[in-house]
Amino acid sequence: ETGVTQTPRHLVMGMTNKKSLKCEQHLGHNAMYWYKQSAKKPLELMFVYSLEERVENNSVPSRFSPECPNSSHLFLHLHTLQPEDSALYLCASSQGEGNQPQHFGDGTRLSIL
Amino acid sequence: DQQVKQNSPSLSVQEGRISILNCDYTNSMFDYFLWYKKYPAEGPTFLISISSIKDKNEDGRFTVFLNKSAKHLSLHIVPSQPGDSAVYFCAARASGAGSYQLTFGKGTKLSVIP
Repeated sequence: ETGVTQTPRHLVMGMTNKKSLKCEQHLGHNAMYWYKQSAKKPLELMFVYSLEERVENNSVPSRFSPECPNSSHLFLHLHTLQPEDSALYLCASSQGEGNQPQHFGDGTRLSIL
Repeated sequence: DQQVKQNSPSLSVQEGRISILNCDYTNSMFDYFLWYKKYPAEGPTFLISISSIKDKNEDGRFTVFLNKSAKHLSLHIVPSQPGDSAVYFCAARASGAGSYQLTFGKGTKLSVIP
């Protein structure tokens, strides 16, 4: 496999459930990102990991918990989400912080009942 | 307060003609700009980028122009093809150590009519 792979592609969950989104990159990059895209809004950065350490956390509620066990894998653990958390969650990776583009996965479409 | 603005939500162009997508920004610290293309049910795909030390970057049918004084960039697609129909996002990154964040516009939906 190549590129950035996200699973699952679609997820429906209740507000009391706990689930996890998974991202894997096969590009040899050392930085990984979680973004949220809500309807009619720009992509919003949630978390950044560089060399497996979290370097940015953009005021995201604690019901979202990221985990980066190694430079190829990134998880987003979800618990007690709200209906307004329904959105497309995109993972991306890049090679460092320089002028390098971020490469995106196809996203997980999350629906909270 | 949006720092990256794409004021045209949609654009229709005839096949073979030029498509021009525009983007304005407000943050003078932005020094690296990117364009992404997104098809339905897929993630954004990187198209082309430009650093603030340049005013033009070309890659095949795609050219990005940067006007720093006007805080404006544009993406030209020549000639336009039906497969170019997608949503195009402009993104920008500010300079500074440890700056990973890209700020995105809301996107412009391009429709290329055969």
